[in-house]
Amino acid sequence: AQSVAQPEDQVNVAEGNPLTVKCTYSVSGNPYLFWYVQYPNRGLQFLLKYITGDNLVKGSYGFEAEFNKSQTSFHLKKPSALVSDSALYFCAVRGGFNDYKLSFGAGTTVTVRA
Amino acid sequence: EPEVTQTPSHQVTQMGQEVILRCVPISNHLYFYWYRQILGQKVEFLVSFYNNEISEKSEIFDDQFSVERPDGSNFTLKIRSTKLEDSAMYFCASSERIYNSPLHFGNGTRLTVT
Repeated sequence: AQSVAQPEDQVNVAEGNPLTVKCTYSVSGNPYLFWYVQYPNRGLQFLLKYITGDNLVKGSYGFEAEFNKSQTSFHLKKPSALVSDSALYFCAVRGGFNDYKLSFGAGTTVTVRA
Repeated sequence: EPEVTQTPSHQVTQMGQEVILRCVPISNHLYFYWYRQILGQKVEFLVSFYNNEISEKSEIFDDQFSVERPDGSNFTLKIRSTKLEDSAMYFCASSERIYNSPLHFGNGTRLTVT
């Protein structure tokens, strides 16, 4: 069975500071990893994905994530956070062939203060 | 940019009543999903649908739930006899392919069972 852990319920940073949201995963095969963001009363918006290739992937709104196979992690990062980045962030994993669903972590609430 | 649309945005129903939640996936997508989220918490997988049949379902998706793609555009989730604990945000999603495609989510239907 596949699973995702987001160890921090909340992350608070000052605007302009680096932002990191942590994610670790567990799958039986090669992982397909995704990050989504959710603003209040909205659906989930896709930010970026890792399928194969470079361990550092770049996505929307200046976000990037680093895949680390040995640590089974896929942390989301942004070099300089904006107040508008305040939202709920979800890490998700798909475990490979014959696995239709994405399994989501519990989410991390990011608050960026001005 | 094409998007997934869901109707209604908010549905209030009495316990024991049937509800149908409607979704129009992105037109060239082949895989369709329903997820639910209770009170802004974890996003839970309900069911995936491909080639006019259920490809995977969770333990939550019991006999009171059903899905249908009645025509070439709509994708519906029916709850036959609603319970108080069915109150949640229900999200429809679609994807172009399975393995490396992100899911694109609608803005959700907030279901309130009284």
